[in-house]
Amino acid sequence: AAGVIQSPRHLIKEKRETATLKCYPIPRHDTVYWYQQGPGQDPQFLISFYEKMQSDKGSIPDRFSAQQFSDYHSELNMSSLELGDSALYFCASSLGSGWAEAFFGQGTRLTVV
Amino acid sequence: DQQVKQNSPSLSVQEGRISILNCDYTNSMFDYFLWYKKYPAEGPTFLISISSIKDKNEDGRFTVFLNKSAKHLSLHIVPSQPGDSAVYFCAASEGDFGNEKLTFGTGTRLTIIP
Repeated sequence: AAGVIQSPRHLIKEKRETATLKCYPIPRHDTVYWYQQGPGQDPQFLISFYEKMQSDKGSIPDRFSAQQFSDYHSELNMSSLELGDSALYFCASSLGSGWAEAFFGQGTRLTVV
Repeated sequence: DQQVKQNSPSLSVQEGRISILNCDYTNSMFDYFLWYKKYPAEGPTFLISISSIKDKNEDGRFTVFLNKSAKHLSLHIVPSQPGDSAVYFCAASEGDFGNEKLTFGTGTRLTIIP
């Protein structure tokens, strides 16, 4: 069965560079969530989209932006990268029917050097 | 401000015995709770959930107990198997109507000893 696909799996960037993380939800899923998990930390909610509109916003820095496209995939754009942005970034998708039917991707590990 | 807390960062349990993972929360608006299991290099995988209108939910070897007055929930795994070794996250949301963000705890690393 198709799962949530995140690309790339690993990314190394230098400080002040820009990164784009992509999330391809499970087909027909209309809701996408982005989470950031720092080393030894719990996953922190960044932002979510429902039917291509931003539905909720968490602790997302102003340097980050995200959107959901017409095919429901989502991209997280990160500019002026800082060392503290090094983390595992998870995307989850659901049919808007609750978290028990939501699935997480494998995550993108971003390392800022 | 950590709204969902897992005070035990790690737990070791003998195979065949019961594993009990605990979670406390502070936000009284939370009324839907979930447990996730995470293997290295994989995303969290949903295990079991419970709504605040219940105090127990069971699914095979997994049972989640909710004590609303104490703002405490626990996950029981019986019997524990080596494949259960993973990091377990407790998570909570204000409702489960499809659009509420999850707040995660810091996780407990469970190791099952053969």
